[in-house]
Amino acid sequence: GQQLNQSPQSMFIQEGEDVSMNCTSSSIFNTWLWYKQDPGEGPVLLIALYKAGELTSNGRLTAQFGITRKDSFLNISASIPSDVGIYFCAGRRAGNQFYFGTGTSLTVIP
Amino acid sequence: SQTIHQWPATLVQPVGSPLSLECTVEGTSNPNLYWYRQAAGRGLQLLFYSVGIGQISSEVPQNLSASRPQDRQFILSSKKLLLSDSGFYLCAWELDRALYGYTFGSGTRLTVV
Repeated sequence: GQQLNQSPQSMFIQEGEDVSMNCTSSSIFNTWLWYKQDPGEGPVLLIALYKAGELTSNGRLTAQFGITRKDSFLNISASIPSDVGIYFCAGRRAGNQFYFGTGTSLTVIP
Repeated sequence: SQTIHQWPATLVQPVGSPLSLECTVEGTSNPNLYWYRQAAGRGLQLLFYSVGIGQISSEVPQNLSASRPQDRQFILSSKKLLLSDSGFYLCAWELDRALYGYTFGSGTRLTVV
């Protein structure tokens, strides 16, 4: 199945720094999602995006649906230790399954 | 409200032994159900999905099989486990390709020894 490319693969940042990550696809999607997975747990949905150009926030998290519909971006402002985890993007064309990204592992150094 | 349950949380099985992982969803009807495997904490590999009772689609040919004997029950099985079957298995559900994405269970950590 199709896999989305996420970058960077991993990040090591100081507490308080901002974080940016992105997800790209060779296909156009109608829906983009961002998930966070804590160690040993299932992924939890953070943000859902439904329109090209849409910008949506959830607390310190902001995600954008790229205007080409082939990419999406996630920003985390003022990182804290509990932001540690793996962040996954997921995209879908109408009526199909979601395709997941390769994940970005985030480590926050206190 | 809807909830998803997976068990067991952790499993250590010898090579060649059978496997049965169970996933159930509560509070909804006719969900789409999914089994994913995650190796080494990265990358979600779709194994099976089901849009209804008895309807199973396989994404990757392998040593595993899935069944959906009831509307809200999804079972992942193997007759003989391989070392390469070790990983973190996740069940997920959604309501009929709805916009709000998949909800995942808490996962089963399988170690084949």
